[in-house]
Amino acid sequence: DQQVKQNSPSLSVQEGRISILNCDYTNSMFDYFLWYKKYPAEGPTFLISISSIKDKNEDGRFTVFLNKSAKHLSLHIVPSQPGDSAVYFCAGQIYNQGGKLIFGQGTELSVKP
Amino acid sequence: DSGVTQTPKHLITATGQRVTLRCSPRSGDLSVYWYQQSLDQGLQFLIQYYNGEERAKGNILERFSAQQFPDLHSELNLSSLELGDSALYFCASSVATGTGVYNEQFFGPGTRLTVL
Repeated sequence: DQQVKQNSPSLSVQEGRISILNCDYTNSMFDYFLWYKKYPAEGPTFLISISSIKDKNEDGRFTVFLNKSAKHLSLHIVPSQPGDSAVYFCAGQIYNQGGKLIFGQGTELSVKP
Repeated sequence: DSGVTQTPKHLITATGQRVTLRCSPRSGDLSVYWYQQSLDQGLQFLIQYYNGEERAKGNILERFSAQQFPDLHSELNLSSLELGDSALYFCASSVATGTGVYNEQFFGPGTRLTVL
């Protein structure tokens, strides 16, 4: 039962352009959504989050958009930098289930100079 | 550096054996979570402890068990190991239980387990 799906395993973008990473979910009970970035041989690092009652959250170059009716969220990175090259995971969280994160499969972003 | 430490970094063992993975949460964090990342799967939640007590359980095999000690460090025990248990095992910690509040989790660097 894949409650969180990232259908694009990889994405390649030119430096300076926008990167858009997509995530779909099936469980309407999620209270929060989080994006994590992961470099090889390291643990996931928290990037940005959004409450289910919001439709947008912005932090510097990173913006997350939530479309509840479509059960879809996206992470926009503008402008993309080579250091952004990593695997990006989106995750959903339900408050009354202890805070466990339900992760998507991840999207590997490659930003080319 | 997230402040979460995991040991060992790498572990190579044989089928049928038992191993223990250790995690020390960030200072002040009471919750510890264990996740498994296999080659063909994303990060899968295994189990959560809050202040020494089990709080939530995912699809954790009966051969796996965990505990959280009074000093808040946690151990994940994997027994009767099979080839399919080869994976990255991550520990994460957070301040709160996750019940009723937003709960950002900080991840350790992981333990890579290889079962031969």
